[in-house]
Amino acid sequence: GQQVMQIPQYQHVQEGEDFTTYCNSSTTLSNIQWYKQRPGGHPVFLIQLVKSGEVKKQKRLTFQFGEAKKNSSLHITATQTTDVGTYFCAGRNNDMRFGAGTRLTVKP
Amino acid sequence: DAGVTQSPTHLIKTRGQQVTLRCSPKSGHDTVSWYQQALGQGPQFIFQYYEEEERQRGNFPDRFSGHQFPNYSSELNVNALLLGDSALYLCASIPWGANTGELFFGEGSRLTVL
Repeated sequence: GQQVMQIPQYQHVQEGEDFTTYCNSSTTLSNIQWYKQRPGGHPVFLIQLVKSGEVKKQKRLTFQFGEAKKNSSLHITATQTTDVGTYFCAGRNNDMRFGAGTRLTVKP
Repeated sequence: DAGVTQSPTHLIKTRGQQVTLRCSPKSGHDTVSWYQQALGQGPQFIFQYYEEEERQRGNFPDRFSGHQFPNYSSELNVNALLLGDSALYLCASIPWGANTGELFFGEGSRLTVL
């Protein structure tokens, strides 16, 4: 069945450093979504990518969807303490499958 | 405009018992999905309901069942609880056929099985 793998599992950065998380699917996806979950909270939608090779930006966040629509990445430039949380990718094939997430901690 | 609401927020059960969790979708949404999120893991898809029928199902045993009511609210039932069922159960709603497919999650119901 469809599997979505996400790396790294954890990332610790100094405030101001960049951060990237990667997502890979075992099958071609119709779209991919990214969510952020703060500690003790619930996942909150960030963005959806649909087209092959698509790149979208939200302020310091850059999202990419691979040409083969099987991988994606989220890059945060100059992290801030407010970026702390777990970032999940979720790939849609027949249903929505989430990766295990990357937990980001930011040291002030 | 109320978002997705879930109840109860926390509950403790013992092995072998049964539990029912409830979800009211966001106003204007008619599709509800349920997810299980174990500690330190991503949400795992359980099933999705639309028009009071189960439309899709993930890799969960028959002990997990659900229901959707005419007002679009939904219940998740788990029978014969196991220790491994301890998790945060998330309900997410979307409008059927939405282009974005953005999932709106509730705060979740945290189940502990002793």
